[in-house]
Amino acid sequence: DVKVTQSSRYLVKRTGEKVFLECVQDMDHENMFWYRQDPGLGLRLIYFSYDVKMKEKGDIPEGYSVSREKKERFSLILESASTNQTSMYLCASSIRTGVGYGYTFGSGTRLTVV
Amino acid sequence: AQKVTQAQTEISVVEKEDVTLDCVYETRDTTYYLFWYKQPPSGELVFLIRRNSFDEQNEISGRYSWNFQKSTSSFNFTITASQVVDSAVYFCALSEAYSSASKIIFGSGTRLSIRP
Repeated sequence: DVKVTQSSRYLVKRTGEKVFLECVQDMDHENMFWYRQDPGLGLRLIYFSYDVKMKEKGDIPEGYSVSREKKERFSLILESASTNQTSMYLCASSIRTGVGYGYTFGSGTRLTVV
Repeated sequence: AQKVTQAQTEISVVEKEDVTLDCVYETRDTTYYLFWYKQPPSGELVFLIRRNSFDEQNEISGRYSWNFQKSTSSFNFTITASQVVDSAVYFCALSEAYSSASKIIFGSGTRLSIRP
């Protein structure tokens, strides 16, 4: 069974801390994505990667960076966490770029910044 | 620009009622895909269906059915004889054929509560 694993389910961090959210997929997928989910706003794309060391900004990249050193791992980095980054973070992957490939999602990381 | 609108923020029905979740999309592409995902309380989004823009046939899968109408840019989802296990947030989504990395744009979601 294909899997996207997010390392933490719940995380509490202090304002100003550097935060790493890790995501690993075991499906040899080319594309990986980070979304944040907020009530009433749905899922908003932060960053995505279509290959190792390749990344592109999504719709709301400010305050975030990403790293993809290996195909299976895609990390989201909050350089200096702020309270407005309190949210549910969802990682997803898709097999490759092309028509109609859906996503496989992880279970999410609920981050609280205090 | 592409956009997905789910006007219903929350719906609550009694078990065994039928319920329809609305989805309206905007795109300038002629080739695109539409999706529905379910997010139960556990948090993980689960894929339900994918439909391409050239296939307007309605689809039925057990108690679930989907009505795709290009004329009104809608892709509505109906649950027949709802059950408590159907309680979840449901997302409609759109992927354009030539978007980089096959990005998917999601609607804001509809929270469905089924009361026993």
